Formats: sequence, C-alpha cells, structure tokens
Amino acid sequence: DVKVTQSSRYLVKRTGEKVFLECVQDMDHENMFWYRQDPGLGLRLIYFSYDVKMKEKGDIPEGYSVSREKKERFSLILESASTNQTSMYLCASSPPGLAVSTDTQYFGPGTRLTVL
Amino acid sequence: GQQVMQIPQYQHVQEGEDFTTYCNSSTTLSNIQWYKQRPGGHPVFLIQLVKSGEVKKQKRLTFQFGEAKKNSSLHITATQTTDVGTYFCAGYSGGGADGLTFGKGTHLIIQP
Repeated sequence: DVKVTQSSRYLVKRTGEKVFLECVQDMDHENMFWYRQDPGLGLRLIYFSYDVKMKEKGDIPEGYSVSREKKERFSLILESASTNQTSMYLCASSPPGLAVSTDTQYFGPGTRLTVL
Repeated sequence: GQQVMQIPQYQHVQEGEDFTTYCNSSTTLSNIQWYKQRPGGHPVFLIQLVKSGEVKKQKRLTFQFGEAKKNSSLHITATQTTDVGTYFCAGYSGGGADGLTFGKGTHLIIQP
C-alpha cells in the first residue's frame, strides 16, 4: 500500500513565523502535490513537483514556496505565516501516468494549521 | 482555465434513501476520478472513468461518464451510515500532472 505521511496533524503558529510542512511518500512516485482544503472551496492546488528539484505553481501559490531535494520528500514553506493561511493542508503523490491520462493521487492524512 | 462544478454542495438523506452527486466540466475531459473523504479523514481514490458513456459499479455505487466526456455522476443506492462523507470528482484534461481539477465536493449527511 502507498503511504503518504505528513509531519504534523495539528500545528499552531503565530503571524509572521516561518512554517515548514513536510510530506514523505514511500512508493517512489514522481509527482507530489500540496493542496489546501477550505470549507466551501474544496481542494485547491498550491504547488506540485514532477521530479526532484522541479516545481510548478498551482492555482494559489502566493505566500507559499516548496522544496523537493529528494524524490520521497516534498516540503511546503510559509515564509511569513498569515491568518488567512489557516487551513487544512493535504499532500498527495502519484505515479507519472501517461500523456493523456493521470494516475490516482494518494493523499496524506493532512495537517490542520492554525495561524494566530 | 478548466473548471469542474459539482452539485449539490450538501445533501441530507434518510438512511436507506438513494443519493446522487453530479459533476460538470467546462472542457472535455480525458478522464474523471472520484474520491471519498470521511469526516476527519483525507480523500481516498474510488474509481477512474475514461471512456465516453462509461458506467462502472462498486457494490451500491454507480459511476457514469457522459457521452461528451464533460459530465459525470455518482449514485449510491440505499445509503448506509458508512457512506457519510464528502465525495469529490476530479477531472483530467491533459497538460501534465497539474491537469487534475477537483470539484468542491458534495457533503453527504445521513439521518438514521
């Protein structure tokens, strides 16, 4: 079974702090994703990576950066946390899929971040 | 960009009643996936539909992909309390790993 783990289930930070959210997958997947999930807004893609050191912006990258130094690990960084970044953050991974299709995404348990 | 609209946002049913959620895409899709997220949990993959007009069943769940590959539905027959959760569709229109667009989900609430 694919396993995607996230460093924390719950996190409380203060405005202006630098926040690191870590995600690790154990299935040698090429693709990794960071989403945030908010009531009424569903899942919104922040950043994704299709290979080590490669990253692409998703739909809402502002205020976030990412790092993929190793294939199994994808980190989401909030350089200066703000209250509007309070949310559930979900990491996912998937195999590369084909040119005209995409493979299943496997989600981690999520990190509920509260910024005070 | 591509948009995937999902309705209804919330659905209350009595246990034993049927439930249906619908997805509509602004563009033709290569395929569509469905996920379920239990309360407090994370999305879990259910199924993928690829062919125009495709219908797939998983026990009491029936998934359909429209002929034009722009809409899809998930129907649950005789709901049970274990069906509670949020059901997401996710449409893929090509263009790489970020081509998967999630609907906002339908929250299924079941009253015993």
